[in-house]
Amino acid sequence: ILNVEQSPQSLHVQEGDSTNFTCSFPSSNFYALHWYRWETAKSPEALFVMTLNGDEKKKGRISATLNTKEGYSYLYIKGSQPEDSATYLCAAPSGAGGTSYGKLTFGQGTILTVHP
Amino acid sequence: EAGVTQSPTHLIKTRGQQVTLRCSPISGHTSVYWYQQALGLGLQFLLWYDEGEERNRGNFPPRFSGRQFPNYSSELNVNALELEDSALYLCASRPTGGWTEAFFGQGTRLTVV
Repeated sequence: ILNVEQSPQSLHVQEGDSTNFTCSFPSSNFYALHWYRWETAKSPEALFVMTLNGDEKKKGRISATLNTKEGYSYLYIKGSQPEDSATYLCAAPSGAGGTSYGKLTFGQGTILTVHP
Repeated sequence: EAGVTQSPTHLIKTRGQQVTLRCSPISGHTSVYWYQQALGLGLQFLLWYDEGEERNRGNFPPRFSGRQFPNYSSELNVNALELEDSALYLCASRPTGGWTEAFFGQGTRLTVV
């Protein structure tokens, strides 16, 4: 059973602060790592899909890095804004391709609250 | 372009009843996934359909089943509802194959009383 863990569970920051959180996953048999943002009353929205060790991806003020050898990914938000308040989820496929592309195992999420 | 749509948005059922949830994927997406988020738990993988076939299922009892239609829309059926089936059920779609992101619907909130 794939174990994906996220920390911290929740985070409160002030507007303008930069923040980061962690996703840990088994380093063996790595295939891909997904990050999603889930705002209240909305659908989870994909941020990044990362597949290569050392990968760095950026979307506006949000960026992510990937270390497949040690089994972790960091998500960074620069200059947090109240609209960044959401649950941030990471997920990994449970196996090789074929029957596992969509069988994502999700972490419990990090709940980010950005105070004005 | 329309996103993933799910219906109904909310549903209240009595224990022992049966329920059907519906999902329409993004146009061109052939894979549909169902996930459950029960209270206090993370998203749990339920089922994956692709090209009309069930490709994989999570650790759920056979009471949970579904199907995918020729237009790639999908239904999730839950028989003999139990109180612990109360949850948010999310549908997601993506193109077949590859490690691309999934696009989620807004979910159906099922309450079993």
